[in-house]
Amino acid sequence: DTAVSQTPKYLVTQMGNDKSIKCEQNLGHDTMYWYKQDSKKFLKIMFSYNNKELIINETVPNRFSPKSPDKAHLNLHINSLELGDSAVYFCASCYRDRGYEQYFGPGTRLTVT
Amino acid sequence: DAKTTQPNSMESNEEEPVHLPCNHSTISGTDYIHWYRQLPSQGPEYVIHGLTSNVNNRMASLAIAEDRKSSTLILHRATLRDAAVYYCILARNNAGNMLTFGGGTRLMVKP
Repeated sequence: DTAVSQTPKYLVTQMGNDKSIKCEQNLGHDTMYWYKQDSKKFLKIMFSYNNKELIINETVPNRFSPKSPDKAHLNLHINSLELGDSAVYFCASCYRDRGYEQYFGPGTRLTVT
Repeated sequence: DAKTTQPNSMESNEEEPVHLPCNHSTISGTDYIHWYRQLPSQGPEYVIHGLTSNVNNRMASLAIAEDRKSSTLILHRATLRDAAVYYCILARNNAGNMLTFGGGTRLMVKP
């Protein structure tokens, strides 16, 4: 059973397009995250979302927005894609009081041409 | 968040113990020490965490210096599958715990 899944695994798109990446977790966790790993392999937190509380890393452009239809899903929507958005995006989840033990998805490689 | 310093890379022989060091001289009293690893083409994976005392689990051991300014992740018997980038991260265990990953240590395991 896949604990944290992401779709699609690969996404190739052109500059200026709008795209979404989906994330689902079946662990019953109440907190979810999005991370970005750039070409230099640095992992950066983008968002933390718990029920109605959204915490945004101040460096994330407002073209990026998380959307959570329910506790098991946290999708990432990106408007007006730019070349610099090319990266691998990871979704993660955990229990609110066990934030040290986050479970990561397999990643979505986004390529903007 | 306080910063951590790790060697860029380390090498180990298969079936030998590995000690991965991490310096965190600016650690605060409420910071926990977390270790994650990332295998090639996979998402990061939780390994272990601790506050003051040494910790053991099925994957590894964590040895924390008495002054908490450094720690060591110990893999008791490295396997080829342990080849990965290991990240030492400081974070408070509060809600919305957003982890800040540094460069990590790339561990290479030789057969």
